[in-house]
Formats: sequence, C-alpha cells, structure tokens
Amino acid sequence: EAQVTQNPRYLITVTGKKLTVTCSQNMNHEYMSWYRQDPGLGLRQIYYSMNVEVTDKGDVPEGYKVSRKEKRNFPLILESPSPNQTSLYFCASSLQLRTNTEAFFGQGTRLTVV
Amino acid sequence: AQKITQTQPGMFVQEKEAVTLDCTYDTSDPSYGLFWYKQPSSGEMIFLIYQGSYDQQNATEGRYSLNFQKARKSANLVISASQLGDSAMYFCAMRERWGYQKVTFGTGTKLQVIP
Repeated sequence: EAQVTQNPRYLITVTGKKLTVTCSQNMNHEYMSWYRQDPGLGLRQIYYSMNVEVTDKGDVPEGYKVSRKEKRNFPLILESPSPNQTSLYFCASSLQLRTNTEAFFGQGTRLTVV
Repeated sequence: AQKITQTQPGMFVQEKEAVTLDCTYDTSDPSYGLFWYKQPSSGEMIFLIYQGSYDQQNATEGRYSLNFQKARKSANLVISASQLGDSAMYFCAMRERWGYQKVTFGTGTKLQVIP
C-alpha cells in the first residue's frame, strides 16, 4: 500500500529537549516536505527536499532542521523545542516536476511543547 | 501576497443539499495544479480532486466537482448531495511548476452538515 508514515502520532515534550519526528514514504517520490498546521493559518511549509541531499527552507523554517540521506526518509528535527512550536505537523511526498500529482500526506504528528 | 484565499472560515449545509466552497488563487505561472483536500476531525489529509491549469473541462470525482474559472482565478469546490460524513475542514491548494514545486495551502473552510 502506498503510504507516508510519520512517527510518533502524538508527542508531549518539555522546552529545550531535542526531538525528531520521522517520516518515511514507500512510493519512490523525489519530493518531500514538512508542514505545520495552526488554527486559522492553514498549512505552512517548513522545509522541503527535491531529492537526496537536496533540502531547502519553506515559509517557516526557524527552529527546525531536516535531512535527506535516503530517498524514502525525511526526518524533522527540533533541536530546542519551544512552546510556539506546539502544532500539528504533516509530512508529504509527491513526484517531482509534476504539477498534476497530488501530495500524499502522513497521518500527522500532534506535538505539544510545555 | 496571499496565493490561495479561502474567504469562508465556516459554513453550514443541510444534508442532501449542494454546497460550494470558495477558493481564489494568485499566480503568474502558466502551468499549475489546483487541489482540494478534506481533513476530518481525525486529522488526516484526504485528497479529493485535482484541476490542471490547461484542463479544458472542470474536474469531477463522484459527488465532488471543481468549478474552475481561469480568468477569475477561482477554483471552487462543489459538493453535491451533502452527507453527514462531509463535515470536515476543506483546504484548497496550488502547486506551481515554478517555485520548486511547492504546494501552497489556503486557510481552510470548516463545513458542517446539518441533519
């Protein structure tokens, strides 16, 4: 089954404690990205990757890091989480250079930073 | 400038009635795709329908249709014969050929279907 898998689904952590949210896709997609969803703001892109070892900032990259060492994985790293990073996070993947392909989304990770 | 605008934060519709969710977009790229996603209360993002900028006909997928008016830069989602299970957040999104294939989302419309 084609899917994007994020883990964990729910996470409560304390300010400053480094965490990683994993994302893996099994569709051999080149393009992967991370979004955060906040009420009234829709989904905003954090980082994206066009292929292995190619990553770039989205609209709200501050406080986040990513890496793309393998095509299937695109982890999101919060080195020192803060309460304003409490949000619902989505990983998505799609074929590259195709405007007519939808983005496949993971199930979402609900993060709370206290 | 907002690239995707959804002006209806919330809407109500009677069960079995049709409803239109508005979406306008802004781009100078001649090649782009427009998408609608549904997000039920469980949180997952469900792809509903796609419209390409060069498509001559409006897209349809079951009870969903996209009213694409290119000159007005609008891509409204029409849901026919609403069902209780249609109650959800709906997001309009655009993917441009330029801009590294980024998908830009609107702020969403919360639809509630009334029995």
